[in-house]
Formats: sequence, structure tokens, C-alpha cells
Amino acid sequence: DTAVSQTPKYLVTQMGNDKSIKCEQNLGHDTMYWYKQDSKKFLKIMFSYNNKELIINETVPNRFSPKSPDKAHLNLHINSLELGDSAVYFCASSQDDNEQFFGPGTRLTVL
Amino acid sequence: AQSVTQLGSHVSVSEGALVLLRCNYSSSVPPYLFWYVQYPNQGLQLLLKYTTGATLVKGINGFEAEFKKSETSFHLTKPSAHMSDAAEYFCAVRYSGGGADGLTFGKGTHLIIQP
Repeated sequence: DTAVSQTPKYLVTQMGNDKSIKCEQNLGHDTMYWYKQDSKKFLKIMFSYNNKELIINETVPNRFSPKSPDKAHLNLHINSLELGDSAVYFCASSQDDNEQFFGPGTRLTVL
Repeated sequence: AQSVTQLGSHVSVSEGALVLLRCNYSSSVPPYLFWYVQYPNQGLQLLLKYTTGATLVKGINGFEAEFKKSETSFHLTKPSAHMSDAAEYFCAVRYSGGGADGLTFGKGTHLIIQP
């Protein structure tokens, strides 16, 4: 029983397309996150979300939008994909001030 | 603003030797500090964390780290390296009450274990 799961694991698509990545956590955590890991393995926070507020990293283009249908899910929608969006995207969750649990990642390749 | 510096993008040690991965942080408020490990094509796994209390923190797989406020450091050590320790290691920081802001990561250190 995976704590934080993501689908798909791999996503290959053309420039200009719109795609979504799904994330689910079964830990009962209040806060979920999306991180981007670039080709140099640098990790950067994109969004954090709980049932009260969405915090957006100011460097994230507005083509990226998180959608949370319920407390256990935080999906990532990306419009008009660009070459520079190619990366590994990680979902994570945490409760209060405790550590974050990460999903296995989704490798996005934009052609 | 907070930041993390990991000295050495690549560290190579012999099997059985001491592992030392360096991490320095910058934070205007007391930090929470973390070390995560990432194996190839996998997600991040928590090794250990410092929030409050004892400054020497023990984690999984024989790793430990010591929070030194005067040096703004949180270096990761393991007395004897094993081949299975080969991975990418990330130091991360956030501050108390800042959980919703996410973690600020260092650039990572690739640990190579030589037989």
C-alpha cells in the first residue's frame, strides 16, 4: 500500500499539448506539494496546498495549475507544454510541521 | 529567505570508509533540517531530520547528522560506507511553522562508493 502515488510514471508528449499528472496520498495528511526536478537534479517547490490555502512559487508559469478534488488528491495540470517543461515532477505530502513523504515521480518528456 | 549549500556535487569514497556529506544552511529563523536520499529512478526517502532537541540526530541505514548552529551546518556522516549507499543525497531546510511553504533543497551530492 503505497503512501504517495503518482500516475503516470512516464509521460511523453508533443509541444503545445495539455497534460495532467495525478497524485494521491493515503496518509491522511493535510498538506500536499508539487516539486520539479530538472535535468541537473535540482529540486524546486512549485505549489503547496491544504484545505485552506494554495501557495504558489512565483517562478511557476501560470500554464501550471494544481487541482485538488479532495484532501487526498492534488493533480497537476499543464497547458501548452514547452520543451523546458521536461523534468521529473514529484508529489509530496505532510502533516503539520512533520517531514514530507514523496511519491515516485513522473518523468515528463516534451518533444 | 532560506537557502542550502551542499559542498561537492560528487563525493567518492571507498567501501568501508567514512562518508561525510556537507550541508550549510541560511535561515533567518530557527530551521528544520532534513537529509533525503534518492536512488536512481526513484523518489526521495527521508534519512533523518532535525527539528528541536538533541543536535545529534540518528537516521536510517546507519547515517547520522549533527546540527551546529554556530557553524550553520548539518553535515551527514556514516562510519563505514556500503556499496548500497551509492545514491544522490539532498539536504533541505524549512522553518518551524513553515510547512506549507515546502522545502528548500540543496543541489544534491552524488555519492560514489568504490569497491
